[in-house]
Amino acid sequence: SAVISQKPSRDICQRGTSLTIQCQVDSQVTMMFWYRQQPGQSLTLIATANQGSEATYESGFVIDKFPISRPNLTFSTLTVSNMSPEDSSIYLCSVDDRLYGYTFGSGTRLTVV
Amino acid sequence: LAKTTQPISMDSYEGQEVNITCSHNNIATNDYITWYQQFPSQGPRFIIQGYKTKVTNEVASLFIPADRKSSTLSLPRVSLSDTAVYYCLVGGPNTGGFKTIFGAGTRLFVKA
Repeated sequence: SAVISQKPSRDICQRGTSLTIQCQVDSQVTMMFWYRQQPGQSLTLIATANQGSEATYESGFVIDKFPISRPNLTFSTLTVSNMSPEDSSIYLCSVDDRLYGYTFGSGTRLTVV
Repeated sequence: LAKTTQPISMDSYEGQEVNITCSHNNIATNDYITWYQQFPSQGPRFIIQGYKTKVTNEVASLFIPADRKSSTLSLPRVSLSDTAVYYCLVGGPNTGGFKTIFGAGTRLFVKA
C-alpha cells in the first residue's frame, strides 16, 4: 500500500499565526484528501485536492482559512491560517489506495495557544 | 453519500468474537462498504472492504446481506490490542473519484 509521510507530527502555535502541513506520498495519486479530527471525535473531511486544479472544500471550510497546494502527484500541503484555539486538532492527509481503501498519514497534532 | 449508523461503544473480553454492525439504509448501487480501525494518535487503517455477501481476510470478515442496507464486521478472538475505534464507511466513485465521509465510529474496548 501507499506510504505517506506527514510533517510536522505536532506543533504548538501562537494564535494569529499560520502553519503549513506537508504530505508526501511514495507513489503518484490522483486525489489527496485532508481531514480534521478534533479530540475524541470522528474525522471531518476538509477538502479534496487534485493535481492541477483548485481544491474542493466541504461545507464549513473555506480556502482563505485552509489554503491547499497540490503541485504534483505525490505532494500536497494544507495551511491553517490565522489560527485560533478552536483550530487545535489533529490534521490528517489521505490518499485513495484502491487495493487497500484509503491510506492515511500519521497526522499532525496542532495546539494553538 | 449514504449515512452510516454504528453503536457508539462496545465492550468485549479477550478471545471472544466481536461483531460490529453498521446500518446504511441509503446505500447506492455503486457504493462499497469499507471498515477502518483507528488507534489513538494514529491515522485510520484499512481493515476490509466489500460490496456484497461475505469477504474475509487475515484480520476480519465482513458480512453484507442481500439488501446491502447493513453490514457486520466480525473480529475473531479479539485481544487487548484490538481496543480501538472502528469506522464503517460507505462510498463510491463520484465525479472526481471516491469521496470518504466518516461517521461517528464504534469504540471497542477489550478487557482481559
